[in-house]
Amino acid sequence: GAGVSQSPRYKVAKRGQDVALRCDPISGHVSLFWYQQALGQGPEFLTYFQNEAQLDKSGLPSDRFFAERPEGSVSTLKIQRTQQEDSAVYLCASSSLTTYTEAFFGQGTRLTVV
Amino acid sequence: GQQLNQSPQSMFIQEGEDVSMNCTSSSIFNTWLWYKQDPGEGPVLLIALYKAGELTSNGRLTAQFGITRKDSFLNISASIPSDVGIYFCAGQRGTYKYIFGTGTRLKVLA
Repeated sequence: GAGVSQSPRYKVAKRGQDVALRCDPISGHVSLFWYQQALGQGPEFLTYFQNEAQLDKSGLPSDRFFAERPEGSVSTLKIQRTQQEDSAVYLCASSSLTTYTEAFFGQGTRLTVV
Repeated sequence: GQQLNQSPQSMFIQEGEDVSMNCTSSSIFNTWLWYKQDPGEGPVLLIALYKAGELTSNGRLTAQFGITRKDSFLNISASIPSDVGIYFCAGQRGTYKYIFGTGTRLKVLA
């Protein structure tokens, strides 16, 4: 596609529920990032993929967060046993190079945990 | 997590005025990026800077990579109502990870 596509745009989850957020990067982009953006804050790094390899997951807040990109294209961010503090916008970005690059962001998924 | 300091936090300006904002860090970055985010949307890349001292323009936007590599500046000339939004700086140290700023919220009064 022309841009990074994320789905769903909005997700309301009951506390304790598992959720899965999908990201379709720009075709051919090697690098894929997930960021978390709390209300009124800038995005914060969660994890990075180069093709199918997850090279950095240092930003994942807890072991309830899991990301995968099995075929080096579409990525899924899964959050298990959601808690209220997980409420945020989850942004996916992709780029064509591995370093010194410009990332293009999707519209994000707004997760609300009630 | 770590976030870069942006100032001002927010500003109201009249249409047609010029706008300046900056971003500072205690650490050196190799790349500086400026993004604009509209409500309900993801950040959109405006300008990328790769070298200390570099000055780059994109239409009415001009950004500079500070000579110390610890700061960057964004100027918007002759503001228009559609410039409203949140402007984020982001620094990269030569790996893949971006550190974002706290944002400058711009409101333009017609």
